[in-house]
Amino acid sequence: GAGVSQTPSNKVTEKGKYVELRCDPISGHTALYWYRQSLGQGPEFLIYFQGTGAADDSGLPNDRFFAVRPEGSVSTLKIQRTERGDSAVYLCASSLKGTGKYEQYFGPGTRLTVT
Amino acid sequence: AQKITQTQPGMFVQEKEAVTLDCTYDTSDQSYGLFWYKQPSSGEMIFLIYQGSYDEQNATEGRYSLNFQKARKSANLVISASQLGDSAMYFCAMRDQMDSNYQLIWGAGTKLIIKP
Repeated sequence: GAGVSQTPSNKVTEKGKYVELRCDPISGHTALYWYRQSLGQGPEFLIYFQGTGAADDSGLPNDRFFAVRPEGSVSTLKIQRTERGDSAVYLCASSLKGTGKYEQYFGPGTRLTVT
Repeated sequence: AQKITQTQPGMFVQEKEAVTLDCTYDTSDQSYGLFWYKQPSSGEMIFLIYQGSYDEQNATEGRYSLNFQKARKSANLVISASQLGDSAMYFCAMRDQMDSNYQLIWGAGTKLIIKP
């Protein structure tokens, strides 16, 4: 079946602009995660959804970052007033369940470059 | 506090040799799971293998096996008969408090390069 998809694959934007990154999880997966990854490092947790609600948004760096998952499927990560420090690869992952032994399936990521 | 340590930033291995990637973890919880992921240069994180703390046998998935030593708190990944396509970053991750915790703690990763 189809895996996790993310669009766009690459996004270049100017400092101060608004961006939206989209994640389409595996059908039937109730858990959805957003991560940020810098070169040579492991994924950094941003936010976790269980169904439609953001169960944990403690990893969002500041209030310029926001994410939604209105129908419990597709999720959008929104970044306002982008800064050069926001440049990174943004990974989305979904899982059948958030807890337990269930592995997370990752999308290919969106590479965000803020100039 | 929970922690994952991968002590090998990089490794070079000759093709067809076996390779062991180290992972040690720290948790005070009795119920936890360990996950290994592969990330090729293309960027996509690929799940490889899972080991639960209560599993009596070491996990195996094809050429991947996990050398789980609970008393030492280590969960090393073993890749048998390495191939050029195994060149990638490898990450070890842990989830403890399995019934309630949804977060993974990630190691810093090991960059594996297979030489022809």
